[in-house]
Order: sequence, then structure tokens, then C-alpha cells
Amino acid sequence: NAGVTQTPKFQVLKTGQSMTLQCAQDMNHNSMYWYRQDPGMGLRLIYYSASEGTTDKGEVPNGYNVSRLNKREFSLRLESAAPSQTSVYFCASSEDWGFVNEKLFFGSGTQLSVL
Amino acid sequence: AQRVTQPEKLLSVFKGAPVELKCNYSYSGSPELFWYVQYSRQRLQLLLRHISRESIKGFTADLNKGETSFHLKKPFAQEEDSAMYYCALSGSSGTYKYIFGTGTRLKVLA
Repeated sequence: NAGVTQTPKFQVLKTGQSMTLQCAQDMNHNSMYWYRQDPGMGLRLIYYSASEGTTDKGEVPNGYNVSRLNKREFSLRLESAAPSQTSVYFCASSEDWGFVNEKLFFGSGTQLSVL
Repeated sequence: AQRVTQPEKLLSVFKGAPVELKCNYSYSGSPELFWYVQYSRQRLQLLLRHISRESIKGFTADLNKGETSFHLKKPFAQEEDSAMYYCALSGSSGTYKYIFGTGTRLKVLA
């Protein structure tokens, strides 16, 4: 099993460009997440999808949109990239949202630079 | 405010020395606590969680509810322990949360 797969691994954008980060999981998990990782800030939740057909804002949703395409796939879109969105992006999944013992499974990350 | 605090950005120890990575939390309720680890060029993965009361790769963590801490400890550090460590909590008091700390980079020196 591949677990959580993210594409691309690296991306350089110019300010104002748009792009979509793709994420897929093969563990039949109900819940999926997008985090960004910044030095000194740790991991911050951008958006999550508790189950197929639902999405909700996390801590830092501004400038992003998401789509839960089906149970396997959860994409993150930057409509008009800004330098402040330079970060490492992680997709994660878990069996279910809302259970305190949930273990998160992470993808390998996307390093995004916005010039 | 609900948060996880890891006061050290970088912790350097010599091989064979004891290691303690600090984690304090603030949460109105009874959260579950976790440690995640990210080795170089690998994805972030769960190291251990309080509920399992387990020891993974020689690491243990004790939940101290009085001090609201969940420090990660290992009696003898190994070079392969060098990594980025994140403390996290999850809880369902009010709105469900899964919060990460800012991380501590552990360097084990030969």
C-alpha cells in the first residue's frame, strides 16, 4: 500500500499564478486534511474533510480552496498564489474525524515556493 | 486558549546521553496526547500516543495532568534518533481539535 500520496513534490510559482496540489489515500480512510508547515510555526491545519462530501475550514484557510473529489482524493487549490504561501504542504488522512485517539497518516509533502 | 508548546526549537545531545523533549499543553478538557516524528527525507509519522502506554524505539512519554505536560524521554540517545519531533493533542471539548506544537529538532552528536 502506498498510504498517502501527494503530487507534486516541488513547485515554484510566480505571484498570482494558480495551482492545485493533489492528494490520494488508499487506506479507505474517511477523513482527510491539509496542513502547512512553516519554520517556528509547526503544523497548521488549512482545511479538512471529515467525510466524503464535506469540507471545513481549519486554522489558516484564507487563500485556499479544497475539493473532496471522492473518498480517496482531496485536493488543495491556490487560486492566486502569494509569497506568504511559500511553505511545505502536507496531506494527511485518518479513519474518522472526531475521535480523540485518531492517528494521522501523512504524505511526503510538497515544497512550494512563490516568487 | 488551546495550544501545544514545545519550548526548544533545537536540542543537541551526545550519543549515549539522556534525552528529554519538552511538551506542555493548554486544553480545557481531557485531551489525548501524541508524539510524531519526521526523520530526514521521510514523512511525518506517529511515534507514540499516551493511550497506548507504549515504548517505541526506547522512547517513553508520561502524561502529567497537574503540570499539563507530556515530555518525551529516552535514557540513551542514538544517532538515528536525530529528527524533528512534534507533540500533538486531540480533544473533543467543544469543537474537535487536533493541534500540533511547533516542533523540536533533535540532533544526536557522535
